[in-house]
Amino acid sequence: GAGVSQTPSNKVTEKGKYVELRCDPISGHTALYWYRQSLGQGPEFLIYFQGTGAADDSGLPNDRFFAVRPEGSVSTLKIQRTERGDSAVYLCASSLLGGQEAFFGQGTRLTVV
Amino acid sequence: GESVGLHLPTLSVQEGDNSIINCAYSNSASDYFIWYKQESGKGPQFIIDIRSNMDKRQGQRVTVLLNKTVKHLSLQIAATQPGDSAVYFCAENTGTASKLTFGTGTRLQVTL
Repeated sequence: GAGVSQTPSNKVTEKGKYVELRCDPISGHTALYWYRQSLGQGPEFLIYFQGTGAADDSGLPNDRFFAVRPEGSVSTLKIQRTERGDSAVYLCASSLLGGQEAFFGQGTRLTVV
Repeated sequence: GESVGLHLPTLSVQEGDNSIINCAYSNSASDYFIWYKQESGKGPQFIIDIRSNMDKRQGQRVTVLLNKTVKHLSLQIAATQPGDSAVYFCAENTGTASKLTFGTGTRLQVTL
């Protein structure tokens, strides 16, 4: 596609449920990033993929969060046992190579009720 | 849609005036800096970047200045337009992990 695509755009889930957020990066981009943005804050880094492997997952807050990119393209961010504090906009970005200009998707707004 | 930056510092400028948005960064080892623009309900949009071996870079209507001595970055927008109204974030690339660390953001309001 022309840009980074994230689905769904909005997700409301009940506390304790499992959710998956999907990111389709720009075709050919080897680097993919997940960020989380709370209201009134800048995006916070979660995880970075170079190809299929997670090169840096130091931003994942705890073991309820997990992300995969099995074929080096689409990525899925998975959150288990969601908590109200997980409510935020989850942003995905991709770049041709790591360390270069990153292009962001429009985000998925997750609301845990 | 969601409003980004409800409690952010706000800069109000009149249409046609120049805007200067400032950012202090924390890591003296950062070697790549980016300014992003974020409109409500959208993801951050790249504006301009600069590497640490430069102190100034110009784009179309925008200029980024980098002062490594005091760890300060600024974004200058010439002839500000209503479409420039958004939240602006500076971001620094920290180390070799390629992740970006974002600042807190500044809301720019352009008045007619």
